[in-house]
Order: sequence, then structure tokens, then C-alpha cells
Amino acid sequence: GAVVSQHPSRVICKSGTSVKIECRSLDFQATTMFWYRQFPKQSLMLMATSNEGSKATYEQGVEKDKFLINHASLTLSTLTVTSAHPEDSSFYICSARDQHGELFFGEGSRLTVL
Amino acid sequence: RKEVEQDPGPFNVPEGATVAFNCTYSNSASQSFFWYRQDCRKEPKLLMSVYSSGNEDGRFTAQLNRASQYISLLIRDSKLSDSATYLCVVTHYNNNDMRFGAGTRLTVKP
Repeated sequence: GAVVSQHPSRVICKSGTSVKIECRSLDFQATTMFWYRQFPKQSLMLMATSNEGSKATYEQGVEKDKFLINHASLTLSTLTVTSAHPEDSSFYICSARDQHGELFFGEGSRLTVL
Repeated sequence: RKEVEQDPGPFNVPEGATVAFNCTYSNSASQSFFWYRQDCRKEPKLLMSVYSSGNEDGRFTAQLNRASQYISLLIRDSKLSDSATYLCVVTHYNNNDMRFGAGTRLTVKP
């Protein structure tokens, strides 16, 4: 089946630094990708919809200047957490739909901000 | 009130047991319904879609009740490998607007 890959799977950074997470669709093109955040024992929360070649659409309450999304190609979307703080520590997951409309998730990236 | 609500569990059942989860949703305009499985610290994976007529896939049966706005998942003959968190997912307006329940945690014990 289709594969969505995320990198890095784990990242630890100091407060105030920026972290970039990549999401790639490996065997299909994805004009739309989605970024979620999941805190422990809570549901996935959609942060933004990433659109190839145009600006991302952010969910209410998600700061677009803090969570920068770039979808420069049909197989790659990146999420940059700028000036990270400990409260940004979370599990970040991306997803994309294949040509059949089925949704596949990346493996997730666990961010820890010290 | 959350858009999608699930009993967080945990459900601890012996191997071979039958277990059922319910999920309620608040938006009557919801269009599509899914059950996803998420293993600890892993990404969610689609378990099955839920159709109005109900559907079955091996030991798993999913049902949709639009009038009462809930979906259910029944697992028969539970296996150890069924231990996971089961996420209820609802979409509305378009299939890009997905809302996730917090998940129901299942532990199947020998």
C-alpha cells in the first residue's frame, strides 16, 4: 500500500530553537497533506492542511507564524516549529491521501523541548 | 462538548472475549466514518470504514446509527494482537475535515 514517511522520528531540542519535520509520500503524489498534533492520551488534533504550491490552511487556534508549513512539491511537506518551548513538546503526525482517496499517516515525530 | 466522544477505557478483556466500543458524534452533517487502530507511540492505521448498512471484516464488525449519531465496533474472539487504542474518526463537509475521538484503549490478556 501507499507509504507516508516522516523524519525525524524523535527530536530533542533546546527552548528557543526551531525544528523542522519532513513528511514525504513515497509512492504517490499528494496535493494535500495534513499535520496533526497528539498529546499523551488525547486525540489527534488537526493543526493545518498543507496545499502544494499554495499557503497552508490553519485550524483555529494554531499560530501560523509559529508552525510554518511548506509544501513545495507533490511529495514533500515540511512543518517547522519555530522558537520551540516546552509546551510544544508533542507527537506530530502527518497524513496524505493516495490516488484512491485512502488516508495514510506518517510514523510520527516525537518532539521534546527542554 | 467534544465533536467526537469515545469511552477512553481501558478495556481489559481475556483472549477470546467479545468486546464492543461505541463512539458518538455531535455534527449531524457528518458524512464518513472510520475506525483507526493506533499502537503505542505509532501512527494510526485504518482498520475499517463504517457504512450505513454496517460492515464486517473477519472478526470486526462496524455499525452506524445516524439517528442516534453513534458508530460502534465489535471485536469477536479477541487476540493478544488486538491490544491497541481504537480511534473513531468522523468527517464532514468534505473528506478533508476529519475529527478524531480520543481513542479507546483495549488490552487483551492471555
